[in-house]
Amino acid sequence: NAGVTQTPKFQVLKTGQSMTLQCAQDMNHEYMSWYRQDPGMGLRLIHYSVGAGITDQGEVPNGYNVSRSTTEDFPLRLLSAAPSQTSVYFCASSYVRISADEKLFFGSGTQLSVL
Amino acid sequence: GIQVEQSPPDLILQEGANSTLRCNFSDSVNNLQWFHQNPWGQLINLFYIPSGTKQNGRLSATTVATERYSLLYISSSQTTDSGVYFCAVAYTNAGKSTFGDGTTLTVKP
Repeated sequence: NAGVTQTPKFQVLKTGQSMTLQCAQDMNHEYMSWYRQDPGMGLRLIHYSVGAGITDQGEVPNGYNVSRSTTEDFPLRLLSAAPSQTSVYFCASSYVRISADEKLFFGSGTQLSVL
Repeated sequence: GIQVEQSPPDLILQEGANSTLRCNFSDSVNNLQWFHQNPWGQLINLFYIPSGTKQNGRLSATTVATERYSLLYISSSQTTDSGVYFCAVAYTNAGKSTFGDGTTLTVKP
């Protein structure tokens, strides 16, 4: 049971380049989310998904796209990288069950630098 | 959206000391969790505690939902407790959580 797996762990981009951060979970969680963490701050929600085929915007969605074609995978696409997108990105997942603990499980993060 | 305030922002302790971290939130929530981010950046879920009290070893947490705050207690602190502690709340599902800015804990030997 691997939990939440993110790739790559580190990435350097030039301004204007595009890339996809990968996220996969093997816990059959309905909910998946992407957060970014800037130095000295908490995590801010970028996009989330309540299930395959359903996505929605979080607090800071501009410059990012997501899709959810399967329950397991939730990739995050940077369309045209900007220095302001330099950050650590975390993918998370959880159950949607009223009767059970809805704990949030995180991947190990992707450190992205945009030059 | 919900506002989350954590205090204190920084805390320095000697090994063996006890501490209390606080999380205030601006609206009613159905989901509240505490996380520890270790020095390597990994986020570990400590408690899922939308109300009531829970204990896990040297750590315990209490949430008073009607008064919109939660407390995390760390007893007999160890150097491995160092890191950043985050409170995260949500109206509905954890996947839409709003995080506080964290409390940075440093435990000195």
